[in-house]
Amino acid sequence: QSALTQPASVSGSPGQSITISCTGTSSDVGGYNYVSWYQQHPGKAPKLMIYDVSNRPSGVSNRFSGSKSGNTASLTISGLQAEDEADYYCSSYMSSTTVLFGGGTKVTV
Amino acid sequence: QVQLQESGPGLVKPSQTLSLTCIVSGDSISSGDYYWTWIRQHPGKGLEWIGYIFFSGSTFYNPSLESRLTISVDTSKNQFSLKLSSVTAADTAVYYCARDGGGGYNKLDYWGQGTLVTVSS
Repeated sequence: QSALTQPASVSGSPGQSITISCTGTSSDVGGYNYVSWYQQHPGKAPKLMIYDVSNRPSGVSNRFSGSKSGNTASLTISGLQAEDEADYYCSSYMSSTTVLFGGGTKVTV
Repeated sequence: QVQLQESGPGLVKPSQTLSLTCIVSGDSISSGDYYWTWIRQHPGKGLEWIGYIFFSGSTFYNPSLESRLTISVDTSKNQFSLKLSSVTAADTAVYYCARDGGGGYNKLDYWGQGTLVTVSS
């Protein structure tokens, strides 16, 4: 099983919006509405930002939103802030009851 | 407040077995609502899902690790464990435990701080 495909890096200026893509197959992203997104700051554990494609856990800013079309999921960060600078990982449930992560995207503000 | 804490040796020799435990507080593994998960991150690399366990003992493993992997649960101690046999340098990573609050469908809502395990002689 190959990792989900994410761009290595995305950058934006404060206040702008950016979108990170996550491409998989019909066996993972395209086959289930169980895509999650995690934010990881250096030296820290990942933090859940989006689950079930577009749901935000309590406490996560509404500047973060998720969507999916076919085999590609996307995370959009609007009103970019300095604190958003981090690595972002998508993940998807897949057939045979396993979970697959993307390679990660470094967001630079 | 749910907290998870990994513990175990930080250094393991090649060909030996890596053993880690995750102690859960603020929630009961026996509640049966969650899957308890292990994830690792190779130095400077991305995340890799290792596997998870339900309170009943049912397990689901990453196929690439399955032949060397055992995840177990001790509900009396409210903890779950990871054993990875025949380790090599490629198993050097930060190992995280986490709670899957989505019924095993990939909603890792609480994480431990992670523990670095180095495989070296």
